[in-house]
Amino acid sequence: QVQLVESGGGVVQPGRSLRLSCAASGFTFSSYGMHWVRQAPGKGLEWVAVISYDGSNKYYADSVKGRFTISRDNSKNTLYLQMNSLRAEDTAVYYCAKVGTLGGLINWGQGTLVTVSS
Amino acid sequence: SYELTQPPSVSVSPGQTARITCSGDALPKQYAYWYQQKPGQAPVLVIYKDSERPSGIPERFSGSSSGTTVTLTISGVQAEDEADYYCQSADSSGTCWVFGGGTKLTVL
Repeated sequence: QVQLVESGGGVVQPGRSLRLSCAASGFTFSSYGMHWVRQAPGKGLEWVAVISYDGSNKYYADSVKGRFTISRDNSKNTLYLQMNSLRAEDTAVYYCAKVGTLGGLINWGQGTLVTVSS
Repeated sequence: SYELTQPPSVSVSPGQTARITCSGDALPKQYAYWYQQKPGQAPVLVIYKDSERPSGIPERFSGSSSGTTVTLTISGVQAEDEADYYCQSADSSGTCWVFGGGTKLTVL
């Protein structure tokens, strides 16, 4: 079955960097677009970024554009999110999610918590 | 930036019908998707492409679209349906995805 496992979260100071990873299994990773979605404590879902199946197309939310970079290594079945110049408002649970064959985010990881605090 | 608007809360009694709306200017051009999220859990896709139901989702969940508004309908609401519901779509270019603010469904 499809499994998505995020890692790399933790506590980081404002202005510093962090890289999240999402290990995928149970499906042909190189055939599907992937997203990062975040959720601040007690708040709603916020879309962060998307990458096409082959990594050729990437799009970002305005709130992270220029600071975050989404990437993937299809040989390792892994999705990444490089987060630079972190701010307090980036504090959230970060989920990776797989695009379904018929559209929508059909599979989600369990999330990894990023806390930006001095 | 593009926004989707949902009511913050909806309350219904068990067995009744709950309707949750989502409004956005690009909805006539872009499909909408609906997610259910229970406390401490990852979201679950309950409706895709406005009105289609993924396998494993109960038939009481349905979706519809009219102009700039899409609606999630839960018929015969059960206590287990109490959750936060989010609509999701994209802007007219299809390059910027967005979630609605979420609707808390309370089963009285």
